[in-house]
Amino acid sequence: EDQVTQSPEALRLQEGESSSLNCSYTVSGLRGLFWYRQDPGKGPEFLFTLYSAGEEKEKERLKATLTKKESFLHITAPKPEDSATYLCAVYPLNYQLIWGAGTKLIIKP
Amino acid sequence: NAGVTQTPKFQVLKTGQSMTLQCAQDMNHEYMSWYRQDPGMGLRLIHYSVGAGITDQGEVPNGYNVSRSTTEDFPLRLLSAAPSQTSVYFCASSYFPGQGESEQFFGPGTRLTVL
Repeated sequence: EDQVTQSPEALRLQEGESSSLNCSYTVSGLRGLFWYRQDPGKGPEFLFTLYSAGEEKEKERLKATLTKKESFLHITAPKPEDSATYLCAVYPLNYQLIWGAGTKLIIKP
Repeated sequence: NAGVTQTPKFQVLKTGQSMTLQCAQDMNHEYMSWYRQDPGMGLRLIHYSVGAGITDQGEVPNGYNVSRSTTEDFPLRLLSAAPSQTSVYFCASSYFPGQGESEQFFGPGTRLTVL
């Protein structure tokens, strides 16, 4: 069964304290893995797409990496405005996106 | 570009009532989908469409109908509302998965309460 699991469910960091969020997946053929950011009361906002193991992408303080079984979203020296829920999703062979439950990130000033 | 628009933003229904959630996109995307988001759970796919006239069921289709008569519009119909359908509903659109960049663009959501 295709599934996506994100950990931890919630993460509290001090401003400037770097850390990583995990997205582990089991799918019948990976066509792409996506990271999104979701602020309260809003729709998810696209961050990255990764297609193959070893691929990495960066945007400001965020860096996403991909292996054959999991993806990491590394946050370097976060700021309070990075506080949000981060969602991971994968496209399996049937083209129906499967979403993780998300990691709620709180950055304290 | 307006992107993906959804109406209404908030709705309260009584059990048994029906309604239609509207979704429109102006990016000429082939792929459109409806999700529901409940606390502690990931987004769950209700229905999706790969083009005008073509729709299919997702993970949780029961109690919902969709149609796609144009590329731009993808309405979601609740046939007979139940309290279990209380949720936040998101519409999303993208280019067809697997053909270049296929990230989904989301609307602002509709917050539905069924009493």
